[in-house]
Amino acid sequence: GNSVTQMEGPVTLSEEAFLTINCTYTATGYPSLFWYVQYPGEGLQLLLKATKADDKGSNKGFEATYRKETTSFHLEKGSVQVSDSAVYFCAAKGSSNTGKLIFGQGTTLQVKP
Amino acid sequence: DAGVTQSPTHLIKTRGQQVTLRCSPKSGHDTVSWYQQALGQGPQFIFQYYEEEERQRGNFPDRFSGHQFPNYSSELNVNALLLGDSALYLCASSWNSYPGELFFGEGSRLTVL
Repeated sequence: GNSVTQMEGPVTLSEEAFLTINCTYTATGYPSLFWYVQYPGEGLQLLLKATKADDKGSNKGFEATYRKETTSFHLEKGSVQVSDSAVYFCAAKGSSNTGKLIFGQGTTLQVKP
Repeated sequence: DAGVTQSPTHLIKTRGQQVTLRCSPKSGHDTVSWYQQALGQGPQFIFQYYEEEERQRGNFPDRFSGHQFPNYSSELNVNALLLGDSALYLCASSWNSYPGELFFGEGSRLTVL
């Protein structure tokens, strides 16, 4: 079946550092890929998405590129801020029309001033 | 515009009891999905409701059941509670036309003693 694997956390960075959170997936066909973020005390929010190979999703300075050849969707940001501290989830959705998402286990990011 | 609202936010039950969790979707959304999130893990898909029917189901036993009402709100019922059912239960709503772009509530934290 489909699965999503994220790098283990927590990830601790200083403000303005470069961020990469690795995500790989296994799926039949061509899934859509997502990054969701959970800020402290809040519900999960969609951060960005990509629906086909080589698509780049971007939002709030974050980017991720759908790499079919490496089955990856790594999250990057050039300069993190303290306000980016949160738990980040990578997720995949199969090609059916339903909204069933397969989530990774989440990666906690802590940014220190 | 209210987002996804869930109730109750916290509840404690004992083994063998039954629980009902409630969800009101974001205004305009017609599809509701339920996820179970264990501590330190990513959300696991339970089922999805669209047009008052269960459209897709994850790998959960029949003790987990649900309902969607004509106003698109939804309930999750869990019978014969087990200790392992302790988790955060998340409701997510979406437009049927944009599956995968989920809007999550803050969840109902269930503790089974």
